[in-house]
Amino acid sequence: EVVLTQSPGTLSLSPGERATLSCRASQSVSSSYLAWYQQKPGQAPRLLIQGPSSRATGIPDRFSGSGSGTDFTLTISRLEPEDFAVYYCQQYGSSPFTFGPGTKVDIK
Amino acid sequence: VQLVESGGGLVQPGRSLRLSCAASGFTFDDYAMYWVRQAPGKGLEWVSGISWNSGNIDYADSVKGRFTISRDNAKNSLYLHMNSLRVEDMALYYCAKGRWRGPFEYWGQGTLVTVST
Repeated sequence: EVVLTQSPGTLSLSPGERATLSCRASQSVSSSYLAWYQQKPGQAPRLLIQGPSSRATGIPDRFSGSGSGTDFTLTISRLEPEDFAVYYCQQYGSSPFTFGPGTKVDIK
Repeated sequence: VQLVESGGGLVQPGRSLRLSCAASGFTFDDYAMYWVRQAPGKGLEWVSGISWNSGNIDYADSVKGRFTISRDNAKNSLYLHMNSLRVEDMALYYCAKGRWRGPFEYWGQGTLVTVST
């Protein structure tokens, strides 16, 4: 099983600042099959990034993904008020399709 | 695209429950479907997945042998039969669509399963 570790657990930033979220896998992720999801309180998760750098439909270009192998990064170039949420990475290259524990981005 | 889960509720440990997910707004049998759960205040846990034609089915170890995923393409519906429920199965259960071994492109709003005496 591929175990995903996300850091930091919580990121406290102000609107307009840059956010850098890390996702590390216990073994290489097959074909870079890694995705990022955003979840706001009381809402279902939303796909942001797949594969690991392609934005999903309708996702603003301030969101970008990068990485390969075991190290992946989600970057939000300038935080908007609606970006304060929990972010999960997920690998879908091998079963079980595991999620990381999440990084909460909150307002400083 | 719309995914609407139903069938959740309060159930005693050891009992069974069947969840449903009604899909609309897309060609259901073009997509794999998945179940993901989230315990209260916790993160996401993948539960099970089924390919478009039910030819590929997979489960998390935590539910293997107790849960069964199925789909009815004629009814645009996904199901999760849950047997021998445990307290640790208590969660909000989401259905999601995607490609087999692909990201989960769209999620429903979830149905809550409470396992308690």
